[in-house]
Amino acid sequence: QSALTQPPSASGSPGQSVTISCTGTSGDVGAFNYVSWYQQHPGKAPKLVIYEVNKRPSGVPDRFSGSKSGNTASLTVSGLQAEDEADYFCCSYANSNNLFGGGTKLTVL
Amino acid sequence: QVQLVQSGGGVVQPGRSLRLSCAASGFAFRHYIMHWVRQAPGKGLEWVAHVWNDGHNKFYADSVKGRFTIFRDNSGDTLYLQMDNLRVEDTAVYYCAKWGSIWAYDIWGQGSLVTVSS
Repeated sequence: QSALTQPPSASGSPGQSVTISCTGTSGDVGAFNYVSWYQQHPGKAPKLVIYEVNKRPSGVPDRFSGSKSGNTASLTVSGLQAEDEADYFCCSYANSNNLFGGGTKLTVL
Repeated sequence: QVQLVQSGGGVVQPGRSLRLSCAASGFAFRHYIMHWVRQAPGKGLEWVAHVWNDGHNKFYADSVKGRFTIFRDNSGDTLYLQMDNLRVEDTAVYYCAKWGSIWAYDIWGQGSLVTVSS
């Protein structure tokens, strides 16, 4: 199975909203509500920000939200802050393995 | 404190072997599926392998099948990745990660850099 498709980059000014897409197939993103999103700052391990499509772990600001339509999941970061600048990866459960997106570098202008 | 602490990694020649370790603390390790995920320099994340909580069921990415072995010691709360016949393309930071009941990786290790080079 191929990796999920994400745009390589996204950007926005402080206070704005940005949406990152993650496209898979009817065998992964479209089949299961087990899409998760991870934030990764340079040199650090990934950190979970969204699970089960649209749920936030404790401690993650409500500026982060997720959704899904068909084979495409999305992560929206509202009220952009400087510390949101990072790489973001989507992940979908796909039966015996998990698939990741190629990652999106979010730049806060 | 809930955490995964990794050890191992380093520089190795092609064809050689290396073992990574991942020590868990702060949660009931034996109850959870555990994964290895890697990230080549400047690249995205790639699932490598996972093992069920009882240690009997194991799954591997095609890129490592037959060369890597994932196993766990539930009495010692430690996950392992035995990497044999290493290739240059296996060069990456390797992360161990806990697959939580929320169907996501909720805890990650700090990462171990593996460099395969002659």
